[in-house]
Amino acid sequence: AQTVTQSQPEMSVQEAETVTLSCTYDTSENNYYLFWYKQPPSRQMILVIRQEAYKQQNATENRFSVNFQKAAKSFSLKISDSQLGDTAMYFCAFMKRGNQFYFGTGTSLTVIP
Amino acid sequence: DAGVIQSPRHEVTEMGQEVTLRCKPISGHDYLFWYRQTMMRGLELLIYFNNNVPIDDSGMPEDRFSAKMPNASFSTLKIQPSEPRDSAVYFCASSLVPRPSSGNTIYFGEGSWLTVV
Repeated sequence: AQTVTQSQPEMSVQEAETVTLSCTYDTSENNYYLFWYKQPPSRQMILVIRQEAYKQQNATENRFSVNFQKAAKSFSLKISDSQLGDTAMYFCAFMKRGNQFYFGTGTSLTVIP
Repeated sequence: DAGVIQSPRHEVTEMGQEVTLRCKPISGHDYLFWYRQTMMRGLELLIYFNNNVPIDDSGMPEDRFSAKMPNASFSTLKIQPSEPRDSAVYFCASSLVPRPSSGNTIYFGEGSWLTVV
């Protein structure tokens, strides 16, 4: 069975500082995708970053980057230069072949002015 | 507790046919959400309910889509008539509160994978 674990229900960070959100997953698959989604109060789910498991290089999107450790099955999200608009729920997700998605329970991030 | 339960897990249908996706939220949750996932657009919020009442359906693509929540333990998303561009994974989710809040979160079902040919 596939599981995705986010062990931090809530976190806070000072504006302009850096924060890292943790995610671990469990799978026997070798090829899969990992995602971080952001859910602001509008409840839309915004794709933040995506990582293919076969790529060793960590994905980066502007202020967002991941630390993908395949052997450890870890996929953490680093947000640099945090902004007030980063306040949201963040969901880690795993997708395996067949388009089956599994979501973590989310981390509530608050950016403090 | 059982999680959010969706059915069917997979469905293949012909263009023009009616499709009904079903969802049973977690017992006691006040909010129910329907999302659509495509690789191009990621997760899109289609509609959400609070206490069985539709609150925001602005994400519903067009009149071919409709959603109902006749009671607190059941919701349907219907597409009539279906088109190939409707092919996607449809997620149902439920939560206790609509906004990020300490200790509360949104729980997703495993999704319904729809293919319209």
